[in-house]
Amino acid sequence: EVQLVESGGGLVKPGGSLRLSCAASGFTFSNYNMNWVRQAPGKGLEWVSSITDTSSNIGYADSLKGRFTISRDNAKNSLYLQLNSLRVEDTAVYYCARDQFGYCSGGRCYIDAFDIWGQGTMVTVSP
Amino acid sequence: QSALTQPASVSGSPGQSITISCTGTSNDVGNYNLVSWYQQRPGKAPRLMIYEDNKRPPGVSNRFSGSKSGNSASLTISGLQAEDTSDYYCCSYAGSSTVLFGGGTKLTVL
Repeated sequence: EVQLVESGGGLVKPGGSLRLSCAASGFTFSNYNMNWVRQAPGKGLEWVSSITDTSSNIGYADSLKGRFTISRDNAKNSLYLQLNSLRVEDTAVYYCARDQFGYCSGGRCYIDAFDIWGQGTMVTVSP
Repeated sequence: QSALTQPASVSGSPGQSITISCTGTSNDVGNYNLVSWYQQRPGKAPRLMIYEDNKRPPGVSNRFSGSKSGNSASLTISGLQAEDTSDYYCCSYAGSSTVLFGGGTKLTVL
């Protein structure tokens, strides 16, 4: 079964850090670009970050640059998101998602669509 | 980068058709054939319904269709069923390895 399972969420104080993990199974993880998407309570989806299959290209939402770092370990079939300098407004469910047909061409990398999602991990930032 | 614009809510009766709009700019929706649509039920992860503007993944009913004109995309659901009641989000590639989501539309099948 194709599956993504997130972990690492929890309660943290403002200014703190967390490292989220996403374990992939049922498909060849190293062949796919991956993403993080978050959803604050009662709010819409917000794209966070992307990473290509070989980690050669990484993208971040403008509002998050410098605080979050995406990475992956293809040998461990795992995706990560390091969250630093957390703020109350970072409180959200964080989903990892597979980019089904993302590709790179001419030095540019394109994000296609997210066909597989994990169940999400909750991050709560509170004093 | 601003979120794509969707109506907050739409409603319809069983058997009817509805359309959800998604408005972006020439830097995102209008510049790439990379608009996707997601269905999300309460407490669940999103589900891909349409990709690359108008393509349906395996397993998605042909009652769901996508289209695009200029800087706007649309999701049409025909033959509405009670089970279609959900939140729907559009999404577009926006250049430089980034993506934008719409604010989401709550569909109620009355």
